[in-house]
Amino acid sequence: GIQVEQSPPDLILQEGANSTLRCNFSDSVNNLQWFHQNPWGQLINLFYIPSGTKQNGRLSATTVATERYSLLYISSSQTTDSGVYFCAASNSGNTPLVFGKGTRLSVIA
Amino acid sequence: DAGVTQSPTHLIKTRGQQVTLRCSPKSGHDTVSWYQQALGQGPQFIFQYYEEEERQRGNFPDRFSGHQFPNYSSELNVNALLLGDSALYLCASRRGSEAFFGQGTRLTVV
Repeated sequence: GIQVEQSPPDLILQEGANSTLRCNFSDSVNNLQWFHQNPWGQLINLFYIPSGTKQNGRLSATTVATERYSLLYISSSQTTDSGVYFCAASNSGNTPLVFGKGTRLSVIA
Repeated sequence: DAGVTQSPTHLIKTRGQQVTLRCSPKSGHDTVSWYQQALGQGPQFIFQYYEEEERQRGNFPDRFSGHQFPNYSSELNVNALLLGDSALYLCASRRGSEAFFGQGTRLTVV
């Protein structure tokens, strides 16, 4: 099945800095999602982005399906951005999402 | 519009017992999946239900079973609990491709 790898595993930023999180996948995808896991464990949907570029406030994401990677950009980071960011992908309509191991982001004031 | 809801939020069970977790999907969603997330790991797929049948299954033993009801809600049952079953259990629902997750049930086996 599809494999998903995320980098870096850990990231520490000063408040106000920008960051880029990367997700590599091993096969073509029909679903690529980015999530932020809050301290209580809930996965918050950030982007559904099997291809192309999307932006939502300070966050944006780009997926280059032909090169099998996706990037999540966080600009002007805030302490509330701290947490674990997951990338998850699937490669056909009925197959479940496969998750990467996540990037743990810590934003310090 | 209520999102995906799970119950209970926390649960403590003794080794060898059985547990049932519940999930109500987002309105209009017909496919429900369950995931197990151990501490410090990404969620691992357990199984997926559609039209009241198990359609896909991950690498989990038969102690893990489930059910989907006509209203699309779902249950996850785990028999003969082991200490290693302690984890956050997440339910996801979708109609089409994009999945949405509930807040999870944190199971502790002692």
